Amino acid sequence: DQQVKQNSPSLSVQEGRISILNCDYTNSMFDYFLWYKKYPAEGPTFLISISSIKDKNEDGRFTVFLNKSAKHLSLHIVPSQPGDSAVYFCAARPWGGATNKLIFGTGTLLAVQP
Amino acid sequence: KAGVTQTPRYLIKTRGQQVTLSCSPISGHRSVSWYQQTPGQGLQFLFEYFSETQRNKGNFPGRFSGRQFSNSRSEMNVSTLELGDSALYLCASSTRLAGYQETQYFGPGTRLLVL
Repeated sequence: DQQVKQNSPSLSVQEGRISILNCDYTNSMFDYFLWYKKYPAEGPTFLISISSIKDKNEDGRFTVFLNKSAKHLSLHIVPSQPGDSAVYFCAARPWGGATNKLIFGTGTLLAVQP
Repeated sequence: KAGVTQTPRYLIKTRGQQVTLSCSPISGHRSVSWYQQTPGQGLQFLFEYFSETQRNKGNFPGRFSGRQFSNSRSEMNVSTLELGDSALYLCASSTRLAGYQETQYFGPGTRLLVL
């Protein structure tokens, strides 16, 4: 049972345009959401996060939006750069327990075309 | 500040053997978690440690075990290796357990191939 879903396995965007990566979750019992970027044969790199009490968080070119009623979050990258080409994972942390455990989506491969 | 380090980076073993992977967290981080990444199952939580105690465990067989030392360094062990254990094993560290907006930072991983 996949609690965190990234329904688009891949996305191709032109350099300078906006990249929008989406993530849906089925469990309301998450209190913290994160986005990671991953290159092959490397560990995930933390990008940006958002608490469940907020609906938007911005950091430079990266903005994460959280829509709790739709159980949906998205990552916006503006402007997209070729170096952004990687696999992007969304992750969610269950609330209520003493844990940092993350449940990951399956990832979206972003290709930014020069 | 140095990031999370994992050793070895690559490992080849045969079925039935056992393996030990090591993780050194970011200095000052006391919580360590382990994840397995495979093409079929994605990134899955194995277990997490804090103050030398296992705090949570994922849905993996007992062949997977771990421990944490007093300096927060952690090891995981897989006994009686199976072909399906071939994966990228990732370690992540954070400052504390379950803090508000506590973020995990990942190491580069250990690529294990079981033949």
